[in-house]
Amino acid sequence: DAGITQSPRHKVTETGTPVTLRCHQTENHRYMYWYRQDPGHGLRLIHYSYGVKDTDKGEVSDGYSVSRSKTEDFLLTLESATSSQTSVYFCAISSTGTSFSSTDTQYFGPGTRLTVL
Amino acid sequence: KNEVEQSPQNLTAQEGEFITINCSYSVGISALHWLQQHPGGGIVSLFMLSSGKKKHGRLIATINIQEKHSSLHITASHPRDSAVYICAVRYSTRNQFYFGTGTSLTVIP
Repeated sequence: DAGITQSPRHKVTETGTPVTLRCHQTENHRYMYWYRQDPGHGLRLIHYSYGVKDTDKGEVSDGYSVSRSKTEDFLLTLESATSSQTSVYFCAISSTGTSFSSTDTQYFGPGTRLTVL
Repeated sequence: KNEVEQSPQNLTAQEGEFITINCSYSVGISALHWLQQHPGGGIVSLFMLSSGKKKHGRLIATINIQEKHSSLHITASHPRDSAVYICAVRYSTRNQFYFGTGTSLTVIP
């Protein structure tokens, strides 16, 4: 199993509070991703990183920001949590990214269940 | 509307049955990914393929690029195969994966 951890694994918070989720990897992979998983939807990309301090938006980035100051850590921040951000959040890593020529797979973390009341 | 369609949404099988899960997509892709999500929530990569067929143990994945369709087959199914199986595609013109909503498989002893 790829060395990916997420913290916290579960969190309950109130609307309007800031929340930060952490993804930590020990594989030294260049690419890191944050997804959310909701009933009736497939996994959806929030943000991804292609290197230290290099990040880009995914299809559902509104209300989220990310930071990557070290190769091993990728943080997802909800500046002011809303009930629509109640979800399960997954971090993933890959060594060569999702570029068109890549056949590299993605490895997923265990997930963080976030509830916003 | 999800761009990646999986069928069936739910599937119950008896132990030992041959199982097929289908995935269809709308435009040209550069890769297709099959994943397994365990009841506890963890997600594991099964196959990444861009053409033809791949086999790993009792699992076989095929893709037909012309028909924009992929299948995941499980031979001699076992209760431990019970999980959600997810298909994801990387379109030729977009640099990220798009995921289906998954097929929930239950194998009964």
